[in-house]
Parts: sequence; structure tokens; C-alpha cells
Amino acid sequence: GENVEQHPSTLSVQEGDSAVIKCTYSDSASNYFPWYKQELGKRPQLIIDIRSNVGEKKDQRIAVTLNKTAKHFSLHITETQPEDSAVYFCAVEGRYSSASKIIFGSGTRLSIRP
Amino acid sequence: DAGITQSPRHKVTETGTPVTLRCHQTENHRYMYWYRQDPGHGLRLIHYSYGVKDTDKGEVSDGYSVSRSKTEDFLLTLESATSSQTSVYFCAISDRGTSGYEQYFGPGTRLTVT
Repeated sequence: GENVEQHPSTLSVQEGDSAVIKCTYSDSASNYFPWYKQELGKRPQLIIDIRSNVGEKKDQRIAVTLNKTAKHFSLHITETQPEDSAVYFCAVEGRYSSASKIIFGSGTRLSIRP
Repeated sequence: DAGITQSPRHKVTETGTPVTLRCHQTENHRYMYWYRQDPGHGLRLIHYSYGVKDTDKGEVSDGYSVSRSKTEDFLLTLESATSSQTSVYFCAISDRGTSGYEQYFGPGTRLTVT
């Protein structure tokens, strides 16, 4: 089945600097890659996603890149701010027999130092 | 946030007792999911539903059962709770089962089995 690996597990960056989180996956048939942000004590929320026909997608300070040949994708956050502190999960869509399934990475705890 | 509620939000129970968690949605979405979240494991799918009375297993279904008698309600039951089932449980909904549709998460239920 699909396997998703996420690195690093923790990341601390200076406010204003960039943060990069990387994920690899195993199923070459996967074609949807969402990223979720989870603040402390809150529910996961989608922040950006990318589909396999697109190599890069950007939304203000966040961007995601996808390399299907190498089976990896990354989240880039520029000009980090204190409110970016959270746990970030990459995910890959696979299929069960009757519905799509989302396989999550193990998460990256991002801390922004003032 | 999408119209998803979970009850109870917190529960402490003893080993061997039955426990039922409820997920209720007001979005009329067809697909509903139960995940558990544990440190270092991200979110793992327990069971999912693709319609009323239609359910299937996820990747960590042992010890759990589900039922869906109405579109809006998806119940997760631990028949005989064990300490390994101490976790945070999230319900999610989606309006499509095909590729690339966002899952919306409920607020979560923190379950402690003593």
C-alpha cells in the first residue's frame, strides 16, 4: 500500500526566514497531494494542494512543488511569521475499493523563533 | 468550519468498557471518515463510510466498529476499550469520493482509557 515519509519531524526557523518540509511517497499512481496545518488543540485544515499535472503551486507565502519522477513533494513557507507555528502534515491520495483515502505523513512541528 | 460536530469532546473510561463516539454533520456529504491521531503517527484511518449503511475498514480497524444509519451521523464504537486506544479521534467528511476533494475535519475527541 501507499507509504508517505515526511521530514523533518521538527523544524525551528527565525521569523522572516523560509521553511521547507519534504515528503516522499511510494505509489506512482497517486495524483493528489494535499497539505494540512494543525494548530495546537485544533483540527487539521487544508492549506494548499497540488495535482499531478502541475509541478508547482503558490498561494501567497506558501508554495508546493511536486516531482513525480522522484516521487517527492515539498512545502515552502517564505517570510515566516509567528502564526505559522503549527504541525504540518503532507498527504497523498490513494484509493480504497469504494472511496478515496488520504494517507498522512507523520507531521512536522514548525516553530518560529522571534 | 464545515458543519461537523463530535461528541463527547473528552472522555475518560476504564479498560474493558464499551465506548461510542459520535460524528454529526449538517453538510449532507456522502463520505465520512474516522481517524485516530497519535504522536509520531500522524492521522491514521480507522473506518470510512461511502453512504448510509455502507462502511469499510481503514488501515487500523482492529478493535473498532462503525455504523451509519443516517447521512448525518457516523458512530465509532470501541467494544472493549484498551489502553492502546487512548488517542485523539477525528471525524472527517467529504462530498466526493473521487480524486482531489478536500476532507473537512471535526474538532476531535480526546479519549483516555485507564
